Amino acid sequence: EAQVTQNPRYLITVTGKKLTVTCSQNMNHEYMSWYRQDPGLGLRQIYYSMNVEVTDKGDVPEGYKVSRKEKRNFPLILESPSPNQTSLYFCASSSGQGALNEQFFGPGTRLTVL
Amino acid sequence: EDQVTQSPEALRLQEGESSSLNCSYTVSGLRGLFWYRQDPGKGPEFLFTLYSAGEEKEKERLKATLTKKESFLHITAPKPEDSATYLCAARDTGGFKTIFGAGTRLFVKA
Repeated sequence: EAQVTQNPRYLITVTGKKLTVTCSQNMNHEYMSWYRQDPGLGLRQIYYSMNVEVTDKGDVPEGYKVSRKEKRNFPLILESPSPNQTSLYFCASSSGQGALNEQFFGPGTRLTVL
Repeated sequence: EDQVTQSPEALRLQEGESSSLNCSYTVSGLRGLFWYRQDPGKGPEFLFTLYSAGEEKEKERLKATLTKKESFLHITAPKPEDSATYLCAARDTGGFKTIFGAGTRLFVKA
């Protein structure tokens, strides 16, 4: 089954404790992206990757890091999480480097930073 | 600044009562306008892509249209299972960034 998986689905952590949210897709997609979703603000793009070893900032990259060492994986790293990073996070992928095609979204990771 | 605005924020309909959702965009050199459906606790699910003004696409009770400044999602004779949040998104000129609107929450009562 074609899908995007994220782990963990739920995470409660404390300020300053480094964490990684994993994202993996099995569709051989070039383009992958991370979003955060907050009430009233909709989905905001954090980082995106056009292909292996090629990443760029979205609209809200502060406090986040990403890497794309393999085509199928695109982990999101929070080096020193803060309460304002409490949010619902989605990973997405699409075919083609230009991201002109539909995006397939993962099930989401609900993060709470205390 | 690129921006996507959706209205209304929430819409309550009776089953069978047709209506439209609006998506206004200010994106320099639009490369694609997307509609997604999001159910509670799930990731968005793709519905339509529109590329040029005048384009229309249909799927069951949904029809999406595009002008140079807006897109509309028309819902004909909705059913309770159409209840969801509908998201509009625009791709910028470069084609790499995606700007989402805040969404319209649709409630359809039987």
